[in-house]
Amino acid sequence: AAGVIQSPRHLIKEKRETATLKCYPIPRHDTVYWYQQGPGQDPQFLISFYEKMQSDKGSIPDRFSAQQFSDYHSELNMSSLELGDSALYFCASSWAGTYSGNTIYFGEGSWLTVV
Amino acid sequence: SQELEQSPQSLIVQEGKNLTINCTSSKTLYGLYWYKQKYGEGLIFLMMLQKGGEEKSHEKITAKLDEKKQQSSLHITASQPSHAGIYLCGARNEKLTFGTGTRLTIIP
Repeated sequence: AAGVIQSPRHLIKEKRETATLKCYPIPRHDTVYWYQQGPGQDPQFLISFYEKMQSDKGSIPDRFSAQQFSDYHSELNMSSLELGDSALYFCASSWAGTYSGNTIYFGEGSWLTVV
Repeated sequence: SQELEQSPQSLIVQEGKNLTINCTSSKTLYGLYWYKQKYGEGLIFLMMLQKGGEEKSHEKITAKLDEKKQQSSLHITASQPSHAGIYLCGARNEKLTFGTGTRLTIIP
């Protein structure tokens, strides 16, 4: 069965550069979530989208932005990168929003290293 | 905001032994997820519990949500090396919030 696809899997950027992560949800899933997981930490919620509209916002820095496109894929844009942005970024998807009670599936994650 | 605390933080168990991981919420849980993560890899969905008193099993893993819906436990029977990893509980409200995680090591 198709899972949540994230790209790229690994990314190395220099400070102050910009990075874009992509997420392709499971087919027919309309809700996408982004999480950031630092070394040794639990995943922290960044932002979510339901039917292409932002549904909730967590601890996402102002330097980051995200959107969900008409085909339901999502992109997380990170600008003015800082060393502290180095982390594993997860995308997850589900159907019919968080309150639906439907299972939330995670991708394999994208490793971002800022040097 | 809802806080989830897991215990223990780490667990070392000999292969074949049983073990239990607990997840306690500061608020009523409307949906409780259990995930497993290998270092640097994605979160693998294990189970979701919604009703107080609900219990679900998959292979050798059983999860329960207590009647008051503020605590869940994950029980592994006859542990195997493949069970090693980090177990995360997640609470579903407007977003999915994770617990602090339990690192499980299985000793052959």
